[in-house]
Amino acid sequence: SAVISQKPSRDICQRGTSLTIQCQVDSQVTMMFWYRQQPGQSLTLIATANQGSEATYESGFVIDKFPISRPNLTFSTLTVSNMSPEDSSIYLCSVGRTGPKGYTFGSGTRLTVV
Amino acid sequence: KQEVTQIPAALSVPEGENLVLNCSFTDSAIYNLQWFRQDPGKGLTSLLLIQSSQREQTSGRLNASLDKSSGRSTLYIAASQPGDSATYLCAVGETSGSRLTFGEGTQLTVNP
Repeated sequence: SAVISQKPSRDICQRGTSLTIQCQVDSQVTMMFWYRQQPGQSLTLIATANQGSEATYESGFVIDKFPISRPNLTFSTLTVSNMSPEDSSIYLCSVGRTGPKGYTFGSGTRLTVV
Repeated sequence: KQEVTQIPAALSVPEGENLVLNCSFTDSAIYNLQWFRQDPGKGLTSLLLIQSSQREQTSGRLNASLDKSSGRSTLYIAASQPGDSATYLCAVGETSGSRLTFGEGTQLTVNP
């Protein structure tokens, strides 16, 4: 199974600023996924990121708010822009390849906006 | 649109009990189903993956079953321990390598 390094693990940010989250995979993968988990809730998909093309966003998420980069097959970033307290969540990346233990997730970024 | 439901939302049991967590999904045309564990404020740890052609998977004290036709899966935890306390999430994938659709999770507390 792929191993994903996600950083930062947590951050406290001022409203109106932006934070970029990075995910590095130890092998090449075609698709990467970005999820959000709001406090006390389950995971919701933000977007799917394929290398070499624009990310595909789910309903309710827009590129201006959550720009995604996918410069190569092992790396992706998610930026949370112009943050408000409602953006306080755990953000997780995942790869779109199933190993023997299933999908692999990064360790998550716990974001608090004050 | 696929919807995944987990029952119960929360469960508290004494140490040593065997327990069952339930997951149901509305569209039976799934590729696989996966159970995860999440500790507070942390990422997801994969527990078991069941392909659509399989009926069950086992890992240690954990056993997951899948009844694709009825849209149900169960996670059985034998001889529960306080270290099993966490939120357990069920997720389905509809094609190989596709996004996952998650249930709301079951928050498990195992009391010493």
